[in-house]
Amino acid sequence: NAGVTQTPKFQVLKTGQSMTLQCAQDMNHNSMYWYRQDPGMGLRLIYYSASEGTTDKGEVPNGYNVSRLNKREFSLRLESAAPSQTSVYFCASRAGGGLAANTQYFGPGTRLTVL
Amino acid sequence: GEDVEQSLFLSVREGDSSVINCTYTDSSSTYLYWYKQEPGAGLQLLTYIFSNMDMKQDQRLTVLLNKKDKHLSLRIADTQTGDSAIYFCADYSGYALNFGKGTSLLVTP
Repeated sequence: NAGVTQTPKFQVLKTGQSMTLQCAQDMNHNSMYWYRQDPGMGLRLIYYSASEGTTDKGEVPNGYNVSRLNKREFSLRLESAAPSQTSVYFCASRAGGGLAANTQYFGPGTRLTVL
Repeated sequence: GEDVEQSLFLSVREGDSSVINCTYTDSSSTYLYWYKQEPGAGLQLLTYIFSNMDMKQDQRLTVLLNKKDKHLSLRIADTQTGDSAIYFCADYSGYALNFGKGTSLLVTP
């Protein structure tokens, strides 16, 4: 069981370039999430997908788009990268469907630098 | 979302106990979580507590919940240098976990 996987692990972009961060989970979870982590800011939710076919904005969605490609995969796209998007990005998933299934499992992160 | 607050830093000596505190504001939180993040790594679930419990013990970890004061604590007994990490408290906002900013624990020999 790989859990939650993310690619790439590291990426450097120039301002204005675009890229897609990939996330996949093999736990048959319903919900998936994208967070960004910045020093002193903790983790902030960018977008989430409560189930296949649905996506919703989180706390800091501006400058990002997402796609829930199927139940396993949830991608995050930066259309025109800006230095303010330099961060560590974490994908997470959750089984959902009841109180005992609220635990979120995280991927290893993608470290993105925008020059 | 509702706020989850933690102190930012804690330094302890190896072998001592560490206590990391957290306060939350959402009274409807059903589960509260502690995650650990080692340098350069993702978040690892340490433990969680259901809101109708006062205490949960798991080996060196003890979680205390005071629901009236909305206060959660994580005690690590016999703290080791390998426990040096950032510890995040989180509650469940209804659709996602809502995290505090994290407490950096430094364990010195």
